[in-house]
Amino acid sequence: DQQVKQNSPSLSVQEGRISILNCDYTNSMFDYFLWYKKYPAEGPTFLISISSIKDKNEDGRFTVFLNKSAKHLSLHIVPSQPGDSAVYFCAASSGGGADGLTFGKGTHLIIQP
Amino acid sequence: NAGVTQTPKFQVLKTGQSMTLQCAQDMNHEYMSWYRQDPGMGLRLIHYSVGAGITDQGEVPNGYNVSRSTTEDFPLRLLSAAPSQTSVYFCASSPRWYKGYEQYFGPGTRLTVT
Repeated sequence: DQQVKQNSPSLSVQEGRISILNCDYTNSMFDYFLWYKKYPAEGPTFLISISSIKDKNEDGRFTVFLNKSAKHLSLHIVPSQPGDSAVYFCAASSGGGADGLTFGKGTHLIIQP
Repeated sequence: NAGVTQTPKFQVLKTGQSMTLQCAQDMNHEYMSWYRQDPGMGLRLIHYSVGAGITDQGEVPNGYNVSRSTTEDFPLRLLSAAPSQTSVYFCASSPRWYKGYEQYFGPGTRLTVT
């Protein structure tokens, strides 16, 4: 059973508008969440993270929101730029963190000019 | 710093062959891990290491071996390749093993088993 779900395989957004990528999780032990961005033929690169003691974290154009009661997080990108076109993975960890990250299947974001 | 490097970039194996995927990092990171990514799937953890001499299994360890004799290197061995091991393999490292530290990923090795 998938513990981290990204239900939109792809999302198309116009340049300059807001991109909102969603992620749901089922494991209530998850307490640290991350977003990674991946271009074709490259490894994922870290974008932004949030601890379960917070409900929002911002870094420049990127904001992650966490709703613990709904087991839902979202990544907002404002304004969207052509270089944001990539696959975005939501990931989560629990406990000490040594046993790695649990990833969603990813959402392919396409920024239209 | 070169970051996390992986070799080879591409590899084709026949069923039953063995090989080692290499991973190295030059950032003196404590934590290293291996993931595989299959089409339409997220990354899944194969093995990880919290320091030299210490390794443990992840979600999908069967058919793979690892060792960590130095801080820098974390090779992944396929003992007897199977078509189900066709995948893209990513190595990652992190300054510390406990969460709160981001993981840095290598560029990946694309493996095909025929």
